[in-house]
Amino acid sequence: GAGVSQSPSNKVTEKGKDVELRCDPISGHTALYWYRQSLGQGLEFLIYFQGNSAPDKSGLPSDRFSAERTGGSVSTLTIQRTQQEDSAVYLCASSQGHPSYEQYFGPGTRLTVT
Amino acid sequence: GESVGLHLPTLSVQEGDNSIINCAYSNSASDYFIWYKQESGKGPQFIIDIRSNMDKRQGQRVTVLLNKTVKHLSLQIAATQPGDSAVYFCAENGQRYSGAGSYQLTFGKGTKLSVIP
Repeated sequence: GAGVSQSPSNKVTEKGKDVELRCDPISGHTALYWYRQSLGQGLEFLIYFQGNSAPDKSGLPSDRFSAERTGGSVSTLTIQRTQQEDSAVYLCASSQGHPSYEQYFGPGTRLTVT
Repeated sequence: GESVGLHLPTLSVQEGDNSIINCAYSNSASDYFIWYKQESGKGPQFIIDIRSNMDKRQGQRVTVLLNKTVKHLSLQIAATQPGDSAVYFCAENGQRYSGAGSYQLTFGKGTKLSVIP
C-alpha cells in the first residue's frame, strides 16, 4: 500500500516568512511523529500525536513551531518567522497504535531558509 | 561508533565482506532498540529491533547484538552489498517519555557505510 507521503519535497523560503509542511501518514496508523534532521545529524524529535490524545510537544524547539493533526490523519507542521537555523530536512513518520516503535518514515521535506 | 560532531563516522567496507556498525546508548532504562537505514534523499527505513531481554537477534543478512553491561549495540551485516551503502542509525526508547505509557525513540547521530565494489 501507499507509504507516508510528505509535501513539498523541497521548500526554499526567505527568512521571516512562514512555512507549512504536510504529512499524510499510512492509513490506519494512529501515531504520527515529526522529526528534524540537520545536515550530518541524527533525528531530533519534535512532536508526537497518538489518536485523540493531547500531543507531546516537548520536542518543539521554540514557540515558532506548531503542528496540527486533523481528523486523526493528515498533519501540518508550521514554522512561523523562519530563521536560517530552521534549515533542515523535516521528516514525518507514522506507526500502528501504541506502543509501536517500528515507525514508517516519509521521504522528508528539505527546508532551506535564505 | 556514533558521532557527536557534524562529521559522521564512516565505515568503508569491501563488497562481500562483513560490516559491523557500533552504537553506544546512554540510558540503562532503555529496553527497546532499533536500527534504521537511511539512503541518500530518503527517509529512514526499519532494519531490525531487539528488546533488552535478548542479547542477539538475527534477520536476513543482519544481526543485532546488545550488551547491556556496557550499554553497547552493534549491527552486523553479512556479505555487504553496494545497496547497503547508507547511513545507519541506532535508537533507544528510554530517554523521552510522552505520557500515557509512551516512550519516544532517541536516535544516535548515525554511521555512514560505504561499500567499495
